[in-house]
Amino acid sequence: GAVVSQHPSRVICKSGTSVKIECRSLDFQATTMFWYRQFPKQSLMLMATSNEGSKATYEQGVEKDKFLINHASLTLSTLTVTSAHPEDSSFYICSAGGQRTGFYQSYEQYFGPGTRLTVT
Amino acid sequence: AQTVTQSQPEMSVQEAETVTLSCTYDTSESDYYLFWYKQPPSRQMILVIRQEAYKQQNATENRFSVNFQKAAKSFSLKISDSQLGDAAMYFCAYRSLGNQGGKLIFGQGTELSVKP
Repeated sequence: GAVVSQHPSRVICKSGTSVKIECRSLDFQATTMFWYRQFPKQSLMLMATSNEGSKATYEQGVEKDKFLINHASLTLSTLTVTSAHPEDSSFYICSAGGQRTGFYQSYEQYFGPGTRLTVT
Repeated sequence: AQTVTQSQPEMSVQEAETVTLSCTYDTSESDYYLFWYKQPPSRQMILVIRQEAYKQQNATENRFSVNFQKAAKSFSLKISDSQLGDAAMYFCAYRSLGNQGGKLIFGQGTELSVKP
């Protein structure tokens, strides 16, 4: 159980275009999803936290108009990189958490396999 | 704000030997969770072990164990009988309890190589 998928796994786009990355929790409902960015040989940098049905909370320094996050359902969150530029090339990872079981809410996070974005 | 520090960018271990990865953290909270995650070349994050701060007993998962020193804010990972498949980036992470929604704070990572 607790599987999280990401689509696409790899994407190449031209500078100036927009790219959408999907994150799905396949076998549980996630009230909270997180989006991370990771450069080679570096740690995960949290970009934003999204709760189902409400606006995402962005970390300091992350441009919310550039990285649009939508969490429209309990199983799907999307990250759209708008007007992408080569410096946006990176590995993007989502995780899903906040699984509810009755009155209990778990904050355990389950990670997707990541999406490699290359902007040419 | 909480911080997590891994002071060893790279570590190496001989197959079948034991290696310890270091992690320190800073927090003013008394209750929290600590984690070690493994990220192999596939880059899929894999949970290795979890420690609840209120538990004095160190967590163990097969060949993986932790040395949790709450007063010293130290949380090291010991890998026994190292295997080639243990080669990966290892990240230490901190998570608050309460209303932060489960946000994880990661250390810089330690790249572990295993020599045959």
